[in-house]
Amino acid sequence: DVKVTQSSRYLVKRTGEKVFLECVQDMDHENMFWYRQDPGLGLRLIYFSYDVKMKEKGDIPEGYSVSREKKERFSLILESASTNQTSMYLCASWGGQGGNQPQHFGDGTRLSIL
Amino acid sequence: AQKVTQAQTEISVVEKEDVTLDCVYETRDTTYYLFWYKQPPSGELVFLIRRNSFDEQNEISGRYSWNFQKSTSSFNFTITASQVVDSAVYFCALSRTSGTYKYIFGTGTRLKVLA
Repeated sequence: DVKVTQSSRYLVKRTGEKVFLECVQDMDHENMFWYRQDPGLGLRLIYFSYDVKMKEKGDIPEGYSVSREKKERFSLILESASTNQTSMYLCASWGGQGGNQPQHFGDGTRLSIL
Repeated sequence: AQKVTQAQTEISVVEKEDVTLDCVYETRDTTYYLFWYKQPPSGELVFLIRRNSFDEQNEISGRYSWNFQKSTSSFNFTITASQVVDSAVYFCALSRTSGTYKYIFGTGTRLKVLA
């Protein structure tokens, strides 16, 4: 089974801090994704990466950046955390061809910005 | 533009009742994939099913069944004889068959199964 591991289940940070959320997958997948989940809005794509050092903006990239230095690790960075970034963050990986394989998700990180 | 609508925000049923979760999608693509995921209280999204646009056969897996109707752009999910363990948020998602394979998620339906 694919294992996607997010470094923290719960995280509390202060406004203005630089925050790192880490995600590691163990299946040598090329594609990795970061989503945020908010009540009534579902999951929205922040950034994704289709290869090492390659990244593309998703639907809501403002206030975030990402890093993919190694294939198995995809980091989400909040450059200067703000209270409106309090949310559930989900990482996913995908290694299929033609879109017919499902994305595999981590357990999520509940981030609170005070 | 692609869009997925899950109009039911929250559903409550009593254990052993059947329940159907609705999913309506919009896409201009002629080929696409549809997915259902379950998110239990623990938080992780668990993959349930994938359906491609060429295959309109209904699918049954134990107490779960899925009804895909291209004519109405719907991909509904039915749980038969619901159990408390079915309590979760369920997401429907749409993806393309080429390009970046981004998922478009619906807003989810919270299902509460009461004992």
